[in-house]
Amino acid sequence: GENVEQHPSTLSVQEGDSAVIKCTYSDSASNYFPWYKQELGKGPQLIIDIRSNVGEKKDQRIAVTLNKTAKHFSLHITETQPEDSAVYFCAASYPGANNLFFGTGTRLTVIP
Amino acid sequence: DSGVTQTPKHLITATGQRVTLRCSPRSGDLSVYWYQQSLDQGLQFLIQYYNGEERAKGNILERFSAQQFPDLHSELNLSSLELGDSALYFCASSGTWTSNYGYTFGSGTRLTVV
Repeated sequence: GENVEQHPSTLSVQEGDSAVIKCTYSDSASNYFPWYKQELGKGPQLIIDIRSNVGEKKDQRIAVTLNKTAKHFSLHITETQPEDSAVYFCAASYPGANNLFFGTGTRLTVIP
Repeated sequence: DSGVTQTPKHLITATGQRVTLRCSPRSGDLSVYWYQQSLDQGLQFLIQYYNGEERAKGNILERFSAQQFPDLHSELNLSSLELGDSALYFCASSGTWTSNYGYTFGSGTRLTVV
């Protein structure tokens, strides 16, 4: 099955700086890569996703890049704000998969 | 509000007991997924139901079971509870049987076994 690795496990940045979280996947058939943000005491919330026919996708301060050859994808958050502090999970899925395969999460702390 | 409703939000029970967690999917969604998240751990897939039928099993213990009813709500039953079962339990829903279009999570049930 698919195996997703996520790094780093914790990340601290100063407010206004950029944050980058990286994930690798093992199954070359995977073609859907969502990112979820989980705030304390809440359920994971989808913040952005990308499919394998696209190399990059942006939504305001958030962007995701995908390198199919290297089988890795990254989340980029620019101009970080304290409300960006949360745990971020990457995931992967292939056609016909019954569940998303999640990374182990990155705890992002934005220091005011 | 994600549209996925989980009840109760908090549950405290003793070892050896049995509890039932409930999930109502987003309107129109046919798939329900259950996940367990232990303290500072990732999301462990337990089981998926699609339109009333079990579709996939993950790391679900034999003491745990689930079902999806005709109105598409789902229940996760946890029995012979142990201290290690204390965790957040999330339900997610999607419109298709495959996860290839992502899904929406509920806010979870926090289970504490004492």
